[in-house]
Amino acid sequence: SAVISQKPSRDICQRGTSLTIQCQVDSQVTMMFWYRQQPGQSLTLIATANQGSEATYESGFVIDKFPISRPNLTFSTLTVSNMSPEDSSIYLCSLSRTEETQYFGPGTRLLVL
Amino acid sequence: GQQLNQSPQSMFIQEGEDVSMNCTSSSIFNTWLWYKQDPGEGPVLLIALYKAGELTSNGRLTAQFGITRKDSFLNISASIPSDVGIYFCAGYKGGSEKLVFGKGTKLTVNP
Repeated sequence: SAVISQKPSRDICQRGTSLTIQCQVDSQVTMMFWYRQQPGQSLTLIATANQGSEATYESGFVIDKFPISRPNLTFSTLTVSNMSPEDSSIYLCSLSRTEETQYFGPGTRLLVL
Repeated sequence: GQQLNQSPQSMFIQEGEDVSMNCTSSSIFNTWLWYKQDPGEGPVLLIALYKAGELTSNGRLTAQFGITRKDSFLNISASIPSDVGIYFCAGYKGGSEKLVFGKGTKLTVNP
């Protein structure tokens, strides 16, 4: 496993603004992922963020709305752009050292008013 | 996208009781994972299963990878109040496939 931290842990934002969520890992890892968990729901993959390449987005998620950076092997950011109340969710980063197993950060709880 | 069929959706049990939950799929998975999510936290990996028929324990938790590779179950013995949370199963097919999650089982333990 690894120690994964996310900032902020929670935020309340106004519609139309943007929020950047940071994910920091205590050791180098190639594969990192960003998920969204809407209230009372399961986890939905937004994108895969591997260092040295563009993020790969899942169907229904686009780079203009969820730009991702992966500047090195221990850090990634996800920006939620031009927010609306529908973006209110928990946003989770995860990492994988082997293809099969993922470990999750504590999440960022976002409420958009 | 594809999801696993996880049941039951919720459980209300008395402290000390055993719990069983399962996940099924119409397709084969090469890895089954079980996570627990406490309120306000991210999911924590409980058990990982890599081989059909594999039975793995982690304290009071036991999970099995179904022989058909299309299902998995998680048992919790002698439940305690801190077992409260949402349990998610997840399956992985291999290669560039993404992790597929069940909808979760919400467990409530009454002291």
